Amino acid sequence: KAGVTQTPRYLIKTRGQQVTLSCSPISGHRSVSWYQQTPGQGLQFLFEYFSETQRNKGNFPGRFSGRQFSNSRSEMNVSTLELGDSALYLCASSLSVAGRQETQYFGPGTRLLVL
Amino acid sequence: LAKTTQPISMDSYEGQEVNITCSHNNIATNDYITWYQQFPSQGPRFIIQGYKTKVTNEVASLFIPADRKSSTLSLPRVSLSDTAVYYCLVGDFGAGSYQLTFGKGTKLSVIP
Repeated sequence: KAGVTQTPRYLIKTRGQQVTLSCSPISGHRSVSWYQQTPGQGLQFLFEYFSETQRNKGNFPGRFSGRQFSNSRSEMNVSTLELGDSALYLCASSLSVAGRQETQYFGPGTRLLVL
Repeated sequence: LAKTTQPISMDSYEGQEVNITCSHNNIATNDYITWYQQFPSQGPRFIIQGYKTKVTNEVASLFIPADRKSSTLSLPRVSLSDTAVYYCLVGDFGAGSYQLTFGKGTKLSVIP
C-alpha cells in the first residue's frame, strides 16, 4: 500500500504570494492532518480534516487554510506569505475509526522557502 | 495531551542497547503513550504505542511501570541508521483526537 504523498516536495516563493500544497493520504484513510515544522517552534498542529470538514484546528492565523476532497485528498493554502512561513509542512493521515487508538502516518513533507 | 519530558540528546555506540526515558506525571487514565522517530527533512514515523507493562514489536520495546508516570523506549543493538530524533507523546489517540503535540524530542546520535 502506498504511503502518504505530498506535492510539491520543494517550493520557493516570495513574500506576499500565496501557495497551495497537496496531500494524498494512504488509501482508505479518512482523516488528514497538517503540521508545520520549524527549527524554533518544532512540530505544530495546523488543522485536521475528516469527511471534507475541518474537525480540529490549531493556533495559526487565518492565512492558513485547507480543504479536503471527497476522495480524502487534501490541500493546504497559505496566503500573503511571510518570511516566518518558511518551514517543512507535513501531512499525516489516519483511518479515524471510533473506539480505536489511532496511528498517524506522515508524508515526506513539503519544504517551503519564502524569500 | 499530557506534558512530557525527555532528554534533549543522547549518544550511543553502534551495537549497544539504547533506552530513552520519558516522564509524563500528569498522564490521564485514558491516555496512551506513543513514540515517533524522525530523520532530518522527513515526516515522523510511528515506532510503538502502549498503555501499560511492556509492548514489543520488530523495531523496539516500550516499558511502562505500574504508575504510568514514565515510560522507556528501548532500541536493541542500534546502528548508524538509528540516528534520529525520537518523540514521546502521551494522550488519547482515539478517532477525532489528532492534534498531536510534539515536544523537543530526544536527538539520538549513534557513533561508529
